[in-house]
Amino acid sequence: QQQVKQSPQSLIVQKGGISIINCAYENTAFDYFPWYQQFPGKGPALLIAIRPDVSEKKEGRFTISFNKSAKQFSLHIMDSQPGDSATYFCAARDNFNKFYFGSGTKLNVKP
Amino acid sequence: GAVVSQHPSRVICKSGTSVKIECRSLDFQATTMFWYRQFPKQSLMLMATSNEGSKATYEQGVEKDKFLINHASLTLSTLTVTSAHPEDSSFYICSAYSLSGNTIYFGEGSWLTVV
Repeated sequence: QQQVKQSPQSLIVQKGGISIINCAYENTAFDYFPWYQQFPGKGPALLIAIRPDVSEKKEGRFTISFNKSAKQFSLHIMDSQPGDSATYFCAARDNFNKFYFGSGTKLNVKP
Repeated sequence: GAVVSQHPSRVICKSGTSVKIECRSLDFQATTMFWYRQFPKQSLMLMATSNEGSKATYEQGVEKDKFLINHASLTLSTLTVTSAHPEDSSFYICSAYSLSGNTIYFGEGSWLTVV
Protein backbone atom coordinates (compact mmCIF):
# COMPACT_ATOMS: atom_id res chain seq x y z
CA GLN A 1 0.00 0.00 0.00
CA GLN A 2 1.45 3.30 -1.05
CA GLN A 3 1.72 5.61 1.93
CA VAL A 4 1.98 8.79 -0.12
CA LYS A 5 -0.02 9.24 -3.31
CA GLN A 6 1.20 11.78 -5.83
CA SER A 7 -0.47 13.28 -8.88
CA PRO A 8 -0.26 13.99 -11.71
CA GLN A 9 2.24 11.54 -13.12
CA SER A 10 3.32 14.09 -15.71
CA LEU A 11 2.69 17.75 -16.25
CA ILE A 12 3.30 20.13 -19.13
CA VAL A 13 3.31 23.86 -18.37
CA GLN A 14 4.13 26.86 -20.49
CA LYS A 15 6.97 29.10 -19.43
CA GLY A 16 5.71 31.62 -16.92
CA GLY A 17 2.81 29.45 -15.84
CA ILE A 18 2.09 27.83 -12.48
CA SER A 19 2.96 24.19 -11.93
CA ILE A 20 0.93 22.39 -9.27
CA ILE A 21 1.72 18.93 -7.94
CA ASN A 22 -0.44 17.26 -5.33
CA CYS A 23 0.18 14.64 -2.67
CA ALA A 24 -2.07 12.88 -0.19
CA TYR A 25 -1.32 10.69 2.80
CA GLU A 26 -3.14 8.61 5.39
CA ASN A 27 -0.74 8.22 8.29
CA THR A 28 -1.43 10.98 10.80
CA ALA A 29 1.90 10.22 12.48
CA PHE A 30 3.76 11.82 9.58
CA ASP A 31 5.45 14.94 10.92
CA TYR A 32 7.57 16.31 8.10
CA PHE A 33 6.82 16.74 4.42
CA PRO A 34 9.70 17.52 2.02
CA TRP A 35 9.72 17.92 -1.73
CA TYR A 36 12.64 16.75 -3.82
CA GLN A 37 13.69 17.72 -7.34
CA GLN A 38 15.49 15.18 -9.48
CA PHE A 39 17.17 15.78 -12.80
CA PRO A 40 17.86 12.80 -15.11
CA GLY A 41 20.78 10.72 -13.93
CA LYS A 42 21.15 12.63 -10.68
CA GLY A 43 20.14 12.05 -7.11
CA PRO A 44 17.14 13.94 -5.69
CA ALA A 45 17.82 17.34 -4.15
CA LEU A 46 15.83 18.79 -1.27
CA LEU A 47 13.73 21.65 -2.60
CA ILE A 48 11.47 22.77 0.21
CA ALA A 49 9.81 21.20 3.23
CA ILE A 50 6.99 21.88 5.67
CA ARG A 51 5.81 20.70 9.07
CA PRO A 52 2.14 20.03 9.82
CA ASP A 53 1.76 22.98 12.17
CA VAL A 54 2.13 25.37 9.23
CA SER A 55 -0.36 25.75 6.36
CA GLU A 56 1.97 27.33 3.84
CA LYS A 57 5.66 27.81 3.25
CA LYS A 58 7.20 29.87 0.50
CA GLU A 59 10.76 29.92 -0.73
CA GLY A 60 11.29 32.01 -3.83
CA ARG A 61 9.08 30.68 -6.61
CA PHE A 62 8.30 27.49 -4.69
CA THR A 63 5.38 27.23 -2.26
CA ILE A 64 4.07 24.30 -0.27
CA SER A 65 0.42 24.39 0.74
CA PHE A 66 -0.52 22.03 3.54
CA ASN A 67 -4.03 20.96 4.53
CA LYS A 68 -3.81 18.90 7.70
CA SER A 69 -7.50 18.05 7.95
CA ALA A 70 -7.59 16.80 4.37
CA LYS A 71 -4.18 15.13 4.73
CA GLN A 72 -3.01 16.74 1.54
CA PHE A 73 -0.13 18.93 0.52
CA SER A 74 0.92 20.46 -2.73
CA LEU A 75 3.85 22.11 -4.43
CA HIS A 76 3.29 25.25 -6.46
CA ILE A 77 5.97 26.52 -8.79
CA MET A 78 5.26 30.09 -9.81
CA ASP A 79 6.60 31.58 -13.04
CA SER A 80 7.73 28.14 -14.17
CA GLN A 81 10.92 28.08 -16.21
CA PRO A 82 12.36 25.49 -18.62
CA GLY A 83 15.12 24.91 -16.07
CA ASP A 84 12.46 23.65 -13.66
CA SER A 85 11.84 20.69 -15.96
CA ALA A 86 12.60 17.70 -13.75
CA THR A 87 10.90 14.98 -11.76
CA TYR A 88 9.47 16.05 -8.44
CA PHE A 89 8.87 13.74 -5.49
CA CYS A 90 6.89 14.49 -2.41
CA ALA A 91 7.71 12.63 0.76
CA ALA A 92 6.55 12.19 4.31
CA ARG A 93 8.44 11.16 7.43
CA ASP A 94 7.05 8.98 10.20
CA ASN A 95 8.03 8.97 13.86
CA PHE A 96 10.72 6.39 13.19
CA ASN A 97 12.49 8.82 10.82
CA LYS A 98 11.50 6.65 7.88
CA PHE A 99 10.67 8.53 4.70
CA TYR A 100 7.94 7.52 2.27
CA PHE A 101 8.00 8.86 -1.26
CA GLY A 102 5.34 9.64 -3.81
CA SER A 103 5.55 8.08 -7.24
CA GLY A 104 6.96 11.25 -8.80
CA THR A 105 5.75 13.87 -11.27
CA LYS A 106 7.65 14.58 -14.43
CA LEU A 107 7.38 18.29 -15.15
CA ASN A 108 8.07 19.69 -18.59
CA VAL A 109 8.10 23.47 -18.88
CA LYS A 110 7.85 24.50 -22.51
CA PRO A 111 9.66 27.66 -23.60
CA GLY B 1 22.37 22.30 1.96
CA ALA B 2 24.38 19.45 3.34
CA VAL B 3 26.51 17.37 0.98
CA VAL B 4 26.33 13.64 0.49
CA SER B 5 28.91 12.13 -1.81
CA GLN B 6 28.39 8.84 -3.56
CA HIS B 7 31.11 6.89 -5.34
CA PRO B 8 31.48 5.60 -7.97
CA SER B 9 28.96 7.47 -10.07
CA ARG B 10 29.11 4.78 -12.73
CA VAL B 11 30.43 1.23 -12.58
CA ILE B 12 30.38 -1.70 -14.94
CA CYS B 13 31.09 -5.14 -13.60
CA LYS B 14 30.97 -8.68 -14.84
CA SER B 15 28.32 -11.16 -13.79
CA GLY B 16 29.30 -13.03 -10.67
CA THR B 17 31.59 -10.35 -9.30
CA SER B 18 30.94 -8.00 -6.39
CA VAL B 19 30.86 -4.25 -6.47
CA LYS B 20 30.98 -1.74 -3.63
CA ILE B 21 29.30 1.66 -3.59
CA GLU B 22 30.25 4.24 -0.98
CA CYS B 23 28.07 6.93 0.53
CA ARG B 24 29.69 9.70 2.56
CA SER B 25 28.20 12.61 4.42
CA LEU B 26 30.81 15.32 3.90
CA ASP B 27 29.81 18.06 6.30
CA PHE B 28 27.65 16.37 8.90
CA GLN B 29 27.48 13.18 10.88
CA ALA B 30 24.80 10.72 9.89
CA THR B 31 23.76 8.06 12.35
CA THR B 32 21.27 6.82 9.80
CA MET B 33 21.71 6.36 6.08
CA PHE B 34 19.31 4.89 3.58
CA TRP B 35 19.87 2.96 0.39
CA TYR B 36 17.44 3.10 -2.51
CA ARG B 37 17.11 1.57 -5.90
CA GLN B 38 15.47 3.45 -8.70
CA PHE B 39 14.27 1.98 -11.97
CA PRO B 40 13.83 4.22 -15.02
CA LYS B 41 10.94 6.64 -14.67
CA GLN B 42 9.98 5.20 -11.31
CA SER B 43 10.08 6.35 -7.74
CA LEU B 44 12.68 5.52 -5.15
CA MET B 45 12.45 2.04 -3.69
CA LEU B 46 13.87 1.85 -0.19
CA MET B 47 16.16 -1.14 0.11
CA ALA B 48 17.51 -0.80 3.62
CA THR B 49 18.14 1.51 6.53
CA SER B 50 21.72 1.63 7.74
CA ASN B 51 22.45 2.58 11.33
CA GLU B 52 25.96 3.37 12.47
CA GLY B 53 27.44 0.55 14.49
CA SER B 54 24.57 -1.85 14.06
CA LYS B 55 23.09 -4.16 11.47
CA ALA B 56 21.11 -2.70 8.63
CA THR B 57 17.35 -3.09 8.49
CA TYR B 58 16.24 -4.46 5.14
CA GLU B 59 12.89 -3.89 3.48
CA GLN B 60 10.72 -6.83 2.63
CA GLY B 61 11.89 -8.62 -0.49
CA VAL B 62 15.46 -7.29 -0.39
CA GLU B 63 18.06 -10.03 -0.05
CA LYS B 64 20.38 -9.11 2.79
CA ASP B 65 23.01 -11.60 1.69
CA LYS B 66 23.10 -10.11 -1.76
CA PHE B 67 23.07 -6.45 -0.80
CA LEU B 68 25.54 -6.10 2.05
CA ILE B 69 25.39 -2.85 3.93
CA ASN B 70 28.01 -1.60 6.33
CA HIS B 71 27.82 1.64 8.30
CA ALA B 72 31.18 1.64 10.02
CA SER B 73 31.39 5.33 10.85
CA LEU B 74 29.17 8.36 11.27
CA THR B 75 30.08 9.58 7.79
CA LEU B 76 30.33 6.43 5.70
CA SER B 77 28.00 3.67 4.62
CA THR B 78 28.76 1.13 1.93
CA LEU B 79 26.54 -1.06 -0.22
CA THR B 80 28.13 -4.15 -1.70
CA VAL B 81 26.25 -5.98 -4.42
CA THR B 82 27.52 -9.54 -4.25
CA SER B 83 27.51 -12.05 -7.08
CA ALA B 84 26.03 -9.43 -9.35
CA HIS B 85 23.64 -10.40 -12.12
CA PRO B 86 22.40 -8.33 -15.07
CA GLU B 87 19.06 -7.86 -13.32
CA ASP B 88 20.91 -6.00 -10.56
CA SER B 89 21.71 -3.27 -13.08
CA SER B 90 20.06 -0.14 -11.78
CA PHE B 91 20.50 3.32 -10.33
CA TYR B 92 21.39 3.09 -6.64
CA ILE B 93 20.99 6.15 -4.45
CA CYS B 94 21.90 6.73 -0.83
CA SER B 95 20.63 9.36 1.55
CA ALA B 96 21.85 10.46 4.95
CA TYR B 97 19.85 11.77 7.85
CA SER B 98 21.06 15.07 9.24
CA LEU B 99 20.08 15.57 12.86
CA SER B 100 20.81 19.29 12.76
CA GLY B 101 18.85 19.74 9.54
CA ASN B 102 16.21 17.23 10.66
CA THR B 103 15.95 15.95 7.12
CA ILE B 104 17.63 13.64 4.65
CA TYR B 105 20.02 14.59 1.90
CA PHE B 106 20.66 12.45 -1.13
CA GLY B 107 23.82 11.39 -2.88
CA GLU B 108 24.21 11.81 -6.61
CA GLY B 109 23.46 8.16 -7.27
CA SER B 110 25.48 5.33 -8.78
CA TRP B 111 24.71 3.66 -12.07
CA LEU B 112 25.50 -0.04 -11.92
CA THR B 113 25.66 -2.06 -15.12
CA VAL B 114 26.27 -5.77 -14.85
CA VAL B 115 27.41 -7.40 -18.09
